Amino acid sequence: GEDVEQSLFLSVREGDSSVINCTYTDSSSTYLYWYKQEPGAGLQLLTYIFSNMDMKQDQRLTVLLNKKDKHLSLRIADTQTGDSAIYFCAERAPDKLIFGTGTRLQVFP
Amino acid sequence: SQTIHQWPATLVQPVGSPLSLECTVEGTSNPNLYWYRQAAGRGLQLLFYSVGIGQISSEVPQNLSASRPQDRQFILSSKKLLLSDSGFYLCALDEQFFGPGTRLTVL
Repeated sequence: GEDVEQSLFLSVREGDSSVINCTYTDSSSTYLYWYKQEPGAGLQLLTYIFSNMDMKQDQRLTVLLNKKDKHLSLRIADTQTGDSAIYFCAERAPDKLIFGTGTRLQVFP
Repeated sequence: SQTIHQWPATLVQPVGSPLSLECTVEGTSNPNLYWYRQAAGRGLQLLFYSVGIGQISSEVPQNLSASRPQDRQFILSSKKLLLSDSGFYLCALDEQFFGPGTRLTVL
């Protein structure tokens, strides 16, 4: 079946790195995505990775993909208070995206 | 560049009343459009998607319906709202663009 799982909460100190994890079930997924949702707002696409890649880096963001274990992670370097939000991973199934439940990242000084 | 508009931004409706949420997009043609619902403290649930005018696919049986009367317009409707219809409704264009959302509270 289709299922994307994430831990619900993550709390980190400002300046540290954050690692948000995600597991998915559909091995045929072609793309995997990370979105950020700030309070009361829609989702913002942060980054994505093609399934034939292991890693993608974009400024402070690093995405790691372990296709064998169906595990995706998002690392945020030098986490700032403005990074506090809910982060969703999503896998691309035919004609639609399957979203995880979201991880609430809280950054404290 | 693509832009997604949703209205209203917030809505409070009594149980049993009708609903119409509108989503319009700019800067693209023949887009794939999606309606998602985000319940409090939960992830996004795909409700409907549309690959073209008049083409609607429903993901889950429910009290809601969707229509695509024009290429860049996607409407979410209900004839009689239930308490469980409360949530944050998001319209999306392909994978990359999400609208600002409509927060619906059914009392």
